[in-house]
Amino acid sequence: LAKTTQPISMDSYEGQEVNITCSHNNIATNDYITWYQQFPSQGPRFIIQGYKTKVTNEVASLFIPADRKSSTLSLPRVSLSDTAVYYCLVGEEGGSYIPTFGRGTSLIVHP
Amino acid sequence: GAVVSQHPSWVICKSGTSVKIECRSLDFQATTMFWYRQFPKQSLMLMATSNEGSKATYEQGVEKDKFLINHASLTLSTLTVTSAHPEDSSFYICSARDRGGGGEKLFFGSGTQLSVL
Repeated sequence: LAKTTQPISMDSYEGQEVNITCSHNNIATNDYITWYQQFPSQGPRFIIQGYKTKVTNEVASLFIPADRKSSTLSLPRVSLSDTAVYYCLVGEEGGSYIPTFGRGTSLIVHP
Repeated sequence: GAVVSQHPSWVICKSGTSVKIECRSLDFQATTMFWYRQFPKQSLMLMATSNEGSKATYEQGVEKDKFLINHASLTLSTLTVTSAHPEDSSFYICSARDRGGGGEKLFFGSGTQLSVL
C-alpha cells in the first residue's frame, strides 16, 4: 500500500491558483491517484483521478510526472468555498485495495 | 457521480443504548462499503470493510462486538454502535466503492455525528 505525504496546511487568497503536491514514492504499477475534498462535518467528495500525465475536469487539474512518485492537484482561481481539507489516495482497482487516508492538506482561502 | 445516502445525520443518545447508522448506495450496486470514524481536526480512520453477503473485516483495534456491521444487500450497509459510551462520540462516515472507468473511486455518505451523553 503506497503511503502518501502532503503538506499539513496551505493558505491562499481568492482568485489565485493553488497547487497541492502529494508524494507517493512507492506507488505500484497498477495504482491510480485519487484526490478527495472534505468540508467540515461532511463526507469527502471525489475531485479527480489520474494514472499518468495530466487530467483535467471542470473542478481541477491533476499533474503526474513520468516517474509517478508524486502528483499535484491544481485548483484554478480559488474562492472562499474551496476552503477544505484535501486528501490524496493511491491504490489500484480491486478487492485487495483498502482506502486509507493520510492527514490531508487543510487549505484556507482568504478574502 | 454516484450517490451514497447516510442516516441519520446526527444522533444524541444516552450511555448504554445502541445506535444504528444506515448507508445506502442509491444509483449503483456496492459490493464493498467502508466505515470510517473521524474525530475533530483529524483524518478519517478506517474502522471496517463491509462486504455484501459476508462478514465484515475490522481494522486492528476496532471491537467487532461493539461496532456491528451488516451488509445484507448490494445497496445497504448498516453500522450499529452497541452499548454506546461517551468515548464513542464521533463523526461516522460510510463510503461505497464504484468501479469502472479506470481506478478505484469512493463515494461517501454525508456522515453521522454521534453524541453519547
